Amino acid sequence: GENVEQHPSTLSVQEGDSAVIKCTYSDSASNYFPWYKQELGKRPQLIIDIRSNVGEKKDQRIAVTLNKTAKHFSLHITETQPEDSAVYFCAAGGNNRLAFGKGNQVVVIP
Amino acid sequence: DVKVTQSSRYLVKRTGEKVFLECVQDMDHENMFWYRQDPGLGLRLIYFSYDVKMKEKGDIPEGYSVSREKKERFSLILESASTNQTSMYLCASSLEAPGTSYFLHPYEQYFGPGTRLTVT
Repeated sequence: GENVEQHPSTLSVQEGDSAVIKCTYSDSASNYFPWYKQELGKRPQLIIDIRSNVGEKKDQRIAVTLNKTAKHFSLHITETQPEDSAVYFCAAGGNNRLAFGKGNQVVVIP
Repeated sequence: DVKVTQSSRYLVKRTGEKVFLECVQDMDHENMFWYRQDPGLGLRLIYFSYDVKMKEKGDIPEGYSVSREKKERFSLILESASTNQTSMYLCASSLEAPGTSYFLHPYEQYFGPGTRLTVT
């Protein structure tokens, strides 16, 4: 089955700086790559996703890039704000089954 | 607005008890999922269902079973609860074949609020 690795496990950034989280996946058949944000005590919520026919997608301060050849994808958060502090999960798979990474704790220092 | 609800936020059970966790979604989604979330291990798929009465094993199905008698409801069953099943359980739902033209995120999985189960 699909195996998703996520690095680093914890990331601290100064407010206003950029944060980058990287994930690798193992199954070349995966065609859907979402990112979920989970704030403390809350449910995971989708923040951005990308399909395998697209190399990059941007939504305001967040962007995702996908390298199918190398089987890795990354989340980029620019101009970080305290409300960006959360656990971020990447996932890979198809439209009806996903494998999630173990999550990254992002801490934005004011 | 999609709503996924779970029957309990907190549950405490004794070892050996049979435990039922219920999940209901109101968006007519075909796919429903059960995950468990443990610190440092992320979200791990237990079972999923793509239609009524259909089920597929996920990555960690041992010790669990599921039931989907109606499209909107997906139940997770712990036949004989054990302490290593103490965890946060998250339910999710998604569309099976939404196409790409209508939805901003057509393959999004919508999560419920979670049930924190403690087995003593």
